[in-house]
Amino acid sequence: AQSVTQLGSHVSVSEGALVLLRCNYSSSVPPYLFWYVQYPNQGLQLLLKYTSAATLVKGINGFEAEFKKSETSFHLTKPSAHMSDAAEYFCAVSGGGGSEKLVFGKGTKLTVNP
Amino acid sequence: GAVVSQHPSRVICKSGTSVKIECRSLDFQATTMFWYRQFPKKSLMLMATSNEGSKATYEQGVEKDKFLINHASLTLSTLTVTSAHPEDSSFYICSADRSRDTQYFGPGTRLTVL
Repeated sequence: AQSVTQLGSHVSVSEGALVLLRCNYSSSVPPYLFWYVQYPNQGLQLLLKYTSAATLVKGINGFEAEFKKSETSFHLTKPSAHMSDAAEYFCAVSGGGGSEKLVFGKGTKLTVNP
Repeated sequence: GAVVSQHPSRVICKSGTSVKIECRSLDFQATTMFWYRQFPKKSLMLMATSNEGSKATYEQGVEKDKFLINHASLTLSTLTVTSAHPEDSSFYICSADRSRDTQYFGPGTRLTVL
């Protein structure tokens, strides 16, 4: 069984500051890990994914995440926040493969202050 | 690439009526599609897994007779909410499995039952 914990339901940063959104997972099998972003009243957009290749994964819009097996973490970072990054971010885990069920964290709402 | 559409984007219906939501993968074929429900300020809850040409697999607690799923082709899955009631009001999101390692999400359908 898989589970995801996102620490912090709300994160607020200043424009230009580092963005760090935390995600810890639990999985009984080698996991596939994903970060999705959701803007108000829209579906989810894939930011990046880890599927057992390189542990440092680069995604769209300047985001990246590092898979750390020893810490069971997959934190999302961006060096410099932009106003357009304000959104809800979801971390998700699956047992591997797109046909496997995704288990989502509860989400972190990112606010970017001018 | 990897575009998933949903129709309608918003629907308002009277209690007791049925509503059909379509999910289409526009530029790829999807053997598997998923249907999620998202409550306000909450994470996504998987309702069912839809497999082309076979019966859907429902998650525990989801009424299969109320939420009818049909995956008639490799690019189309439909969710029909039968005899809708106000408690069925929600944001419904579908996703499609592309290349067997990633789910791509539709923009969602906002259902309001009066």
